[in-house]
Amino acid sequence: LAKTTQPISMDSYEGQEVNITCSHNNIATNDYITWYQQFPSQGPRFIIQGYKTKVTNEVASLFIPADRKSSTLSLPRVSLSDTAVYYCLVAKRENTPLVFGKGTRLSVIA
Amino acid sequence: EADIYQTPRYLVIGTGKKITLECSQTMGHDKMYWYQQDPGMELHLIHYSYGVNSTEKGDLSSESTVSRIRTEHFPLTLESARPSHTSQYLCASSDPLAIAGSAGELFFGEGSRLTVL
Repeated sequence: LAKTTQPISMDSYEGQEVNITCSHNNIATNDYITWYQQFPSQGPRFIIQGYKTKVTNEVASLFIPADRKSSTLSLPRVSLSDTAVYYCLVAKRENTPLVFGKGTRLSVIA
Repeated sequence: EADIYQTPRYLVIGTGKKITLECSQTMGHDKMYWYQQDPGMELHLIHYSYGVNSTEKGDLSSESTVSRIRTEHFPLTLESARPSHTSQYLCASSDPLAIAGSAGELFFGEGSRLTVL
């Protein structure tokens, strides 16, 4: 399984765009990059997934450079309710067991 | 909304008791997982199953056991609970074909918070 590295914590003010970068240097050819969000006392929730270039949905955007050794989750105009832990995972198409790292604890400040 | 349910949500028991945490999903997913998470800490995969009669241990050693007799049901059992088992246990299932060409998506239950006195 490809190991991922992401910042332990980040702070942001409401209304700002937040970018969380994840490093996955040993990503394999058929690995996908997935991000999850977790609020306290809840299970993680799927945010977005991508393989290359850019993916956008109603919640976030995911930017993946050509070498795929890193990825950036972009949250536009965060609010207090976006305060959570964000996990970057790398998994093969057949979904080998997903191993969560420490994640990035995002704190949004009013 | 994901249809995956865990019971009990909260459980306080004494040392030495046998407990079973229930997890059921109505989505027909073949793959199911158990994660353990202490407050403010990372999730650790303790068990997973790729289908009926399939069970594997995860990356974190656990004294618990699991069974998968039916697709929709993946219970976790502790034969003799100890205070070190105090934690939150999260069950999840996945459908690798939920998003075409993707690695699938995990759906989590609300968790079972276990306290062993």
